[in-house]
Amino acid sequence: AQSVTQPDIHITVSEGASLELRCNYSYGATPYLFWYVQSPGQGLQLLLKYFSGDTLVQGIKGFEAEFKRSQSSFNLRKPSVHWSDAAEYFCAVGITGGFKTIFGAGTRLFVKA
Amino acid sequence: DTEVTQTPKHLVMGMTNKKSLKCEQHMGHRAMYWYKQKAKKPPELMFVYSYEKLSINESVPSRFSPECPNSSLLNLHLHALQPEDSALYLCASSQGDGTAYSPLHFGNGTRLTVT
Repeated sequence: AQSVTQPDIHITVSEGASLELRCNYSYGATPYLFWYVQSPGQGLQLLLKYFSGDTLVQGIKGFEAEFKRSQSSFNLRKPSVHWSDAAEYFCAVGITGGFKTIFGAGTRLFVKA
Repeated sequence: DTEVTQTPKHLVMGMTNKKSLKCEQHMGHRAMYWYKQKAKKPPELMFVYSYEKLSINESVPSRFSPECPNSSLLNLHLHALQPEDSALYLCASSQGDGTAYSPLHFGNGTRLTVT
């Protein structure tokens, strides 16, 4: 079955520290992977996407993600977190040939001073 | 700034009211979506329009009625809602070839409260 798992419901990091948010997917075909961020009271914003090619993709706001096919993972990283990064982060996979996107449950990021 | 505009931002309605949510995009996208999001949950797909035709209805109750007047506009008509329908309603758009290839562009949502 197609699914996206984000093992961490919430994570707290100190401002300036590095960040890694985990994402594992289960999908039979070539995955089209996304990370979205949602700040309180806002819609979701695309951070980055992976379709093919280089397994390390760069996104907006200094985020990057690495696709590892052998581990079925697409983890999101940032070397130095800012207080404004506090938000909900969703990993997602696009379903080939249709309009459906499978979202993970989300990881809430808290940033402490 | 979001390129998908939703109005109103907040809506409070009684269970006997009729109201509409509106969404507009000018990115030339040919697929438009309605999602429902409950607190601390991911968005749940409700409807998809592709090239102004209803492509997906995720078994949504008939008290929700979508409409796509043209390629830039998407409405969601609400009637006889229940308190459990209170949620954030998100509109999104993408290029017409499906989300596997095209990321979703979301509006900021309408926060709906049913009393």
